[in-house]
Amino acid sequence: GIQVEQSPPDLILQEGANSTLRCNFSDSVNNLQWFHQNPWGQLINLFYIPSGTKQNGRLSATTVATERYSLLYISSSQTTDSGVYFCAVSFGGFKTIFGAGTRLFVKA
Amino acid sequence: ETGVTQSPTHLIKTRGQQVTLRCSSQSGHNTVSWYQQALGQGPQFIFQYYREEENGRGNFPPRFSGLQFPNYSSELNVNALELDDSALYLCASSSDLAQPQHFGDGTRLSIL
Repeated sequence: GIQVEQSPPDLILQEGANSTLRCNFSDSVNNLQWFHQNPWGQLINLFYIPSGTKQNGRLSATTVATERYSLLYISSSQTTDSGVYFCAVSFGGFKTIFGAGTRLFVKA
Repeated sequence: ETGVTQSPTHLIKTRGQQVTLRCSSQSGHNTVSWYQQALGQGPQFIFQYYREEENGRGNFPPRFSGLQFPNYSSELNVNALELDDSALYLCASSSDLAQPQHFGDGTRLSIL
C-alpha cells in the first residue's frame, strides 16, 4: 500500500523562527491535506492541496505530485503553532493514509 | 454552518462490552469517514460511508461496523471490546468523495 513519511519527526523552534515540514508519499494520490492537531486533540484543516501552492497567513504549502512530496512552511512561528502536524493522502476514491506526524514545540 | 459533531466526548467501557459512537456530519456533506487514533500515532482509517453505503474499509476486524443514515449522520459500533481499542475515535465528513475532510473533536474511549 501507499507509504506516507513525514520529516522531521520532532522539531523545537524559538518563537519567531521559520520552518519547513516535509511529506513524502510512495504513489499517485487523489488528494492531500495538511492538518494541525492541537494539544486538545482537535484536528484543524490547514490546506487541501493535491498540487500547486497555497498560502494562508503565515502558513503556506506546496505539493509536487509528479515527484510525490509536499512541503508545509511555517513562518514567524508562535507558541500557538505547537502541536502535531499531519499530512494525509487519499487514493482509490476512499482510503486516507496519515503520516506519523511532525511534533512541533515553539518556545517563547 | 454547523461543523462535525461527535458524541459522547469521553467513554469508559470494560473488555467484552459493546459501544456505539455517533457523528453528525457538516451540513451538505454526504460522505463520512471514521478513524482510530492511538496515543502518539496518526489516525488510522477504519471505513468510509457515502450516501448510506459503505464505500471502503481499512484493516480493521468485522467487530468494527458502521451505519450512515438518510440525513448522513453516522454511527461506529465496536463489539467485544479489547484493551487495544482504547483510543481517540475521529469522524470526518466531506461534501463528496475525494473532497477535503473536516474532522469532529473525537470521542476518547477507554477500555478497562
